[in-house]
Amino acid sequence: KNEVEQSPQNLTAQEGEFITINCSYSVGISALHWLQQHPGGGIVSLFMLSSGKKKHGRLIATINIQEKHSSLHITASHPRDSAVYICAVTEAGSWGKLQFGAGTQVVVTP
Amino acid sequence: DGGITQSPKYLFRKEGQNVTLSCEQNLNHDAMYWYRQDPGQGLRLIYYSQIVNDFQKGDIAEGYSVSREKKESFPLTVTSAQKNPTAFYLCASWTPGLAGVNEQFFGPGTRLTVL
Repeated sequence: KNEVEQSPQNLTAQEGEFITINCSYSVGISALHWLQQHPGGGIVSLFMLSSGKKKHGRLIATINIQEKHSSLHITASHPRDSAVYICAVTEAGSWGKLQFGAGTQVVVTP
Repeated sequence: DGGITQSPKYLFRKEGQNVTLSCEQNLNHDAMYWYRQDPGQGLRLIYYSQIVNDFQKGDIAEGYSVSREKKESFPLTVTSAQKNPTAFYLCASWTPGLAGVNEQFFGPGTRLTVL
């Protein structure tokens, strides 16, 4: 069983729509990360969270430590947001060892 | 700017050849990690190193080897013993920070295709 579960696996939205991706984890963590991976491209780090909420442009990430749950929101989605979004957690006391979710494939159509 | 460099972005090799993927960081981070991504699966840990001249196997180390002769470098060799080497490879680094705020960085990754 994967320690990090993401939902949905796939998501299609129309341009302008509000998108939410969810991440649940079962291990103790020191941080949670949201990463973006474009088709054929590399990994870009979007957020690192240990509590609360962070915002960068149209992206918002929240985390609830008690419920072991995080969400990534994309407001006013755009076709350039089409990518795989990956949730990863740094296990507490692991010296940086990461557990990854399987990713959410997001497609935003014009 | 500090960060992790992985080169090249795309790598092609013939079956049976060993290939070495580079990972360099100028962040002065203590720990470095190698992960592998297969379609539809989360990235999985291959090897990690918490200190120079020391490294540990991860969950899928068979067919891979690493070295950590310098703090800034953690190259991964994919040997001919790795049965299915075509994958995306990600390098990451970590260090304990001040007041419990640790630092974790990710490389851009290398996509290896074995023909």
